[in-house]
Amino acid sequence: AQKVTQAQTEISVVEKEDVTLDCVYETRDTTYYLFWYKQPPSGELVFLIRRNSFDEQNEISGRYSWNFQKSTSSFNFTITASQVVDSAVYFCALSGGSGNTGKLIFGQGTTLQVKP
Amino acid sequence: EAGVTQSPTHLIKTRGQQATLRCSPISGHTSVYWYQQALGLGLQFLLWYDEGEERNRGNFPPRFSGRQFPNYSSELNVNALELEDSALYLCASSLTWTGSAFFGQGTRLTVV
Repeated sequence: AQKVTQAQTEISVVEKEDVTLDCVYETRDTTYYLFWYKQPPSGELVFLIRRNSFDEQNEISGRYSWNFQKSTSSFNFTITASQVVDSAVYFCALSGGSGNTGKLIFGQGTTLQVKP
Repeated sequence: EAGVTQSPTHLIKTRGQQATLRCSPISGHTSVYWYQQALGLGLQFLLWYDEGEERNRGNFPPRFSGRQFPNYSSELNVNALELEDSALYLCASSLTWTGSAFFGQGTRLTVV
């Protein structure tokens, strides 16, 4: 069965600190997709990144960066120089594989609080 | 370009009633997904529609149903509402099922 684990329930940092959100996934499929979403208090899930299982290149987008390591089944997300506006719940998700087509399996989410 | 839009934003129903939630996907997207986010239960996959057909279904009872219209908009119906159906219902759309899913702002359903 497919599963996503975000072991960090809540993280609190002070503005300008770097913070890494952990994501570990389980799947037996060779083709799958990994995602990160941000959910601010308004409730809407904001898409951040999609990565397929054949692309292990790390990615950087502004203050955001992602580290995908198939060897450890991890897809971690780092925010550099955090800002108050980064405060939200962050979800890691997995899709793909037989029986799971068209379906995102989400982790439980990590609540990030950035204090001024 | 308009994103995924959902209506209504809030909905209050009485136990046993029926609720209808609506979703308009991003223009050009043919896949529509529904998710439930209940307190303490996380984000749970409900339904996936593509080209007017139900393609996959999550572990929910049959009283959760829906449909996709020819213009790709979608409707989620919840019959015989129970208190535990109170949740944020999120709709998403994507170009293909392997593509990135973009979410709407959600409908908060409260069953009293």
